[in-house]
Amino acid sequence: SQKIEQNSEALNIQEGKTATLTCNYTNYSPAYLQWYRQDPGRGPVFLLLIRENEKEKRKERLKVTFDTTLKQSLFHITASQPADSATYLCALMYSGGGADGLTFGKGTHLIIQP
Amino acid sequence: EPEVTQTPSHQVTQMGQEVILRCVPISNHLYFYWYRQILGQKVEFLVSFYNNEISEKSEIFDDQFSVERPDGSNFTLKIRSTKLEDSAMYFCASNPRTSGKEQFFGPGTRLTVL
Repeated sequence: SQKIEQNSEALNIQEGKTATLTCNYTNYSPAYLQWYRQDPGRGPVFLLLIRENEKEKRKERLKVTFDTTLKQSLFHITASQPADSATYLCALMYSGGGADGLTFGKGTHLIIQP
Repeated sequence: EPEVTQTPSHQVTQMGQEVILRCVPISNHLYFYWYRQILGQKVEFLVSFYNNEISEKSEIFDDQFSVERPDGSNFTLKIRSTKLEDSAMYFCASNPRTSGKEQFFGPGTRLTVL
């Protein structure tokens, strides 16, 4: 079965630096790879989506890359702020159909220190 | 901004009892989902629902689980006979289908089975 690994359980970054989070998967590539933010006791919040034929997507301070050869996505937050502290989840969607459930990784807990 | 709502926020029940978790998806959305997250673990897909029927379900979604859209706004998850291992956070999500693949999650219901 598909396995998703996110780079570490916790990542400490100094405010102002770029945080880079990793999502690796095994087996076949998804049609879509998504990144969500989850705060304690809350539901995931969608951040960015990238398609399997795309290499990079940007939104404000966020950037995601997708390498289907390496089976890896990188998620970058530039000019990080303490308010960016949260758990970031990688989620895979295998086909383009709306009925697809998302397959989530366990998440990386990001801590931005002032 | 429209959002997914869920009730109750916390449900405590005895093992063997039936529970119904309620969700009101965003009004013009057409796909609905249930996920669960056991404490400290990843978010796991349970079921998707479209056009008044189940579209896809995971191995977790066995005969103890059922979903229903009893009227034009509510979407429910019923667990027929709860087990201790059903204790988790349950998230409802929805997707408009017409645009994008992102899913909009509710705040969750924490289910505690004693």
